[in-house]
Amino acid sequence: TQLLEQSPQFLSIQEGENLTVYCNSSSVFSSLQWYRQEPGEGPVLLVTVVTGGEVKKLKRLTFQFGDARKDSSLHITAAQPGDTGLYLCAGLPASGGSYIPTFGRGTSLIVHP
Amino acid sequence: NAGVMQNPRHLVRRRGQEARLRCSPMKGHSHVYWYRQLPEEGLKFMVYLQKENIIDESGMPKERFSAEFPKEGPSILRIQQVVRGDSAAYFCASRGQGDEKLFFGSGTQLSVL
Repeated sequence: TQLLEQSPQFLSIQEGENLTVYCNSSSVFSSLQWYRQEPGEGPVLLVTVVTGGEVKKLKRLTFQFGDARKDSSLHITAAQPGDTGLYLCAGLPASGGSYIPTFGRGTSLIVHP
Repeated sequence: NAGVMQNPRHLVRRRGQEARLRCSPMKGHSHVYWYRQLPEEGLKFMVYLQKENIIDESGMPKERFSAEFPKEGPSILRIQQVVRGDSAAYFCASRGQGDEKLFFGSGTQLSVL
């Protein structure tokens, strides 16, 4: 089982601040996905990164995949209350097998107005 | 175009009863996943199914839990003789053939009294 460690577990910030959350593993992934989940709802896919070193931007969100494809980060610029939620990373193992994303425990973000 | 539909949203059962959770995937999707989530935790994989086949059930407890995805109708996650430890949110996700994106339903919150 590939374990994904996410940090920090909890983050409480003021509107307008910047933040970075991390997703780390000792295993190599063929791709890594980031999801956001709001209370009482299912996760919604934000982005998929595939290539080592890849950087993807989604408005104020910047996603990076590590060169070795073992880790990823999500940076949010000028956070807004609407960014509040649980951010989950999910990896697909590089060793093949069934297509089954493995999820980390998530970073719970609260942005105060 | 409806998304992944799960019902019921909330299910209350007494210890020893059976729980049936239903999931209708997005139109055209033939791959279905079931995940379980406890508060402040990420998603734990349970089972991966394609139409009429169980592809991987390595995350399913060996006893009391079963899943199916028949040729016609929704996927069903069945929990027999529920215990308090089965209380959790159960999420279903679907994807299309050859597509990496998982689309999640809103989940079923199971409470065992």
